[in-house]
Amino acid sequence: KAGVTQTPRYLIKTRGQQVTLSCSPISGHRSVSWYQQTPGQGLQFLFEYFSETQRNKGNFPGRFSGRQFSNSRSEMNVSTLELGDSALYLCASSPGLAGAQSYEQYFGPGTRLTVT
Amino acid sequence: AQSVAQPEDQVNVAEGNPLTVKCTYSVSGNPYLFWYVQYPNRGLQFLLKYITGDNLVKGSYGFEAEFNKSQTSFHLKKPSALVSDSALYFCAVRDSRRDDKIIFGKGTRLHILP
Repeated sequence: KAGVTQTPRYLIKTRGQQVTLSCSPISGHRSVSWYQQTPGQGLQFLFEYFSETQRNKGNFPGRFSGRQFSNSRSEMNVSTLELGDSALYLCASSPGLAGAQSYEQYFGPGTRLTVT
Repeated sequence: AQSVAQPEDQVNVAEGNPLTVKCTYSVSGNPYLFWYVQYPNRGLQFLLKYITGDNLVKGSYGFEAEFNKSQTSFHLKKPSALVSDSALYFCAVRDSRRDDKIIFGKGTRLHILP
């Protein structure tokens, strides 16, 4: 099976702009989670989508949003970019069904966002 | 609220020696516990998990982890370190009683010295 793919891999934006990142999960996986990784904060949970519905949300401002499509592909959007949004954004997919097996996550390579 | 702590930012081990990367957690119910590894410029890779059963869990690349309920710990171990084990290691926890998010620790950078 193909792994989790994320596009683009690298992105440079300026403050105030907005950005959309894309994630394609492993075939058959219905849950997609997004994380922000920075050297000082480690991995911080942004949100999780399951069957097109947001199932969980982290403690990020409303500038961060996401959605999931019927084919389980997911996008996240960051509006009004700030310098502090520079980070590696990771997407993870899992089967998403009830039970312990569903909690094993498979990560994509990430999108490196630089805000100048 | 659930949380996970990795008390060491960095661990240095000589090649061939045993290694331990520490992790402690806090959840209200029973924990689901995970270890992930991140190599430079790559995403996270799953190493192992504890869901229930044996306290000693074996995973990929010769790693194992011991679940200790009384100490709320889930330390990652390997009997003999390789230089190629040098990477960033993340511990993660999820509360089994709730359909909640997975919380990751801040990571521990492991340096294996040749």
